[in-house]
Amino acid sequence: GAVVSQHPSWVICKSGTSVKIECRSLDFQATTMFWYRQFPKQSLMLMATSNEGSKATYEQGVEKDKFLINHASLTLSTLTVTSAHPEDSSFYICSASGGLADPYNEQFFGPGTRLTVL
Amino acid sequence: AQSVTQLGSHVSVSEGALVLLRCNYSSSVPPYLFWYVQYPNQGLQLLLKYTTGATLVKGINGFEAEFKKSETSFHLTKPSAHMSDAAEYFCAVSDRGEGGKLIFGQGTELSVKP
Repeated sequence: GAVVSQHPSWVICKSGTSVKIECRSLDFQATTMFWYRQFPKQSLMLMATSNEGSKATYEQGVEKDKFLINHASLTLSTLTVTSAHPEDSSFYICSASGGLADPYNEQFFGPGTRLTVL
Repeated sequence: AQSVTQLGSHVSVSEGALVLLRCNYSSSVPPYLFWYVQYPNQGLQLLLKYTTGATLVKGINGFEAEFKKSETSFHLTKPSAHMSDAAEYFCAVSDRGEGGKLIFGQGTELSVKP
C-alpha cells in the first residue's frame, strides 16, 4: 500500500520559534495533501488542503499566516508553525491522495508529529 | 453539509465478544464511507471503505461494515474481539465531489477486557 512519512515524529520548541514539519509520499505521487490537527482524546480537524504547485486552501478559522503550507513537489508538503505558542501544542497528521490517479480520492495517513511548545 | 455521528465515545467489550461501533452520516449525495483505526500516538490506518458496489464491506483484521442507505448508517462490526483491537476508531465520510476531503466523526474508544 501507499506509504506516507512525517518528520520529525516529535518536536519540542520554545515559545516564539518556528517549527517545520515534513510530509512525504514515499511510493506514489500525491497531487493533494491534507493537514490535520488532533487534540488529546479528540477527532481530527482538517486544517488545510494543498495541491502541488498551488496555494493551500485553509479551513475556516485556521490562520494561514501562522500555519504556512508548501506543496512544492508531488512527494513533499511542509507545514510550518510560525511563532509557536503553547496553545499550538498538538498532534499534527498529514495525509496524501493520488488525485486523478485515484478515482476514490483515498487518503493515506502519515504517522503524525507531536509538537510541544514550552 | 456533510456530518458524521458516532454513537458512544467509549465502548467496552470482553475478549471474544461481538464488537459493534455505530456510525451515522448525513450527506446530500451518496458518499464514500471509511473506517479508520488509530493506536496511541500513531497516524490512522484504513480498516475498510465503501465507495460503490456491494454494501457489505470486509476489511482488515476481521472487521466488516454494511452501508445502509435507508438508515444513513455504516456500522462497524467484528464477530470476536481480540485484545489487540483496543484502539480509537473513526468513521469518516467523503463527498465524491469534494476532492477527497474527509469529515470525521468524533471517534469511539474501544476497550477489550480479558
